[in-house]
Amino acid sequence: AQKVTQAQTEISVVEKEDVTLDCVYETRDTTYYLFWYKQPPSGELVFLIRRNSFDEQNEISGRYSWNFQKSTSSFNFTITASQVVDSAVYFCALSEVLDSSYKLIFGSGTRLLVRP
Amino acid sequence: AAGVIQSPRHLIKEKRETATLKCYPIPRHDTVYWYQQGPGQDPQFLISFYEKMQSDKGSIPDRFSAQQFSDYHSELNMSSLELGDSALYFCASTIRALNTEAFFGQGTRLTVV
Repeated sequence: AQKVTQAQTEISVVEKEDVTLDCVYETRDTTYYLFWYKQPPSGELVFLIRRNSFDEQNEISGRYSWNFQKSTSSFNFTITASQVVDSAVYFCALSEVLDSSYKLIFGSGTRLLVRP
Repeated sequence: AAGVIQSPRHLIKEKRETATLKCYPIPRHDTVYWYQQGPGQDPQFLISFYEKMQSDKGSIPDRFSAQQFSDYHSELNMSSLELGDSALYFCASTIRALNTEAFFGQGTRLTVV
């Protein structure tokens, strides 16, 4: 079965705290993509990162970093020094077929609230 | 830069009516994906098109149909609307051969009353 689990339904932090959003996935394929999207209150889906299954190198982009571990089927997302503008729902997603790479299976999302 | 355009942004329909949602992909993008996101839910894949042919199908009800036209825009037609069809409908586009990231439109919020 293909599945993405985001066990944290909602997280609340105070501004400037670091926060990690967990994502665990299940797939039978050896070739797949993993994604993170941000959905602010305005509703649009904002692409954050795509990682293919052959690349386990961690990535950092500004205050954002991602930790991909195939051994534990996890793709966790950390926001350093969180800001109020980071408040949103964050979705982790999986796609299994490289030539149809946007048939995405989403997790249920984690709502992040950053308080001033 | 041009983005994926969805129209209308908001739509209110009554039960049993029909609705047509439109998606204009980024120029030169040949692949379109449709997703449905119910209130408080994650987006669910409905259907995709590549070069005007249906390429994949997800949990799309039989009451819904879609197509991609010669100019690559796509339309999602929804008939006999039900209250449960109220959702945010996203379209995304990409260039299949380049396997680039897909860009999502801002979505159409459909409310069925």
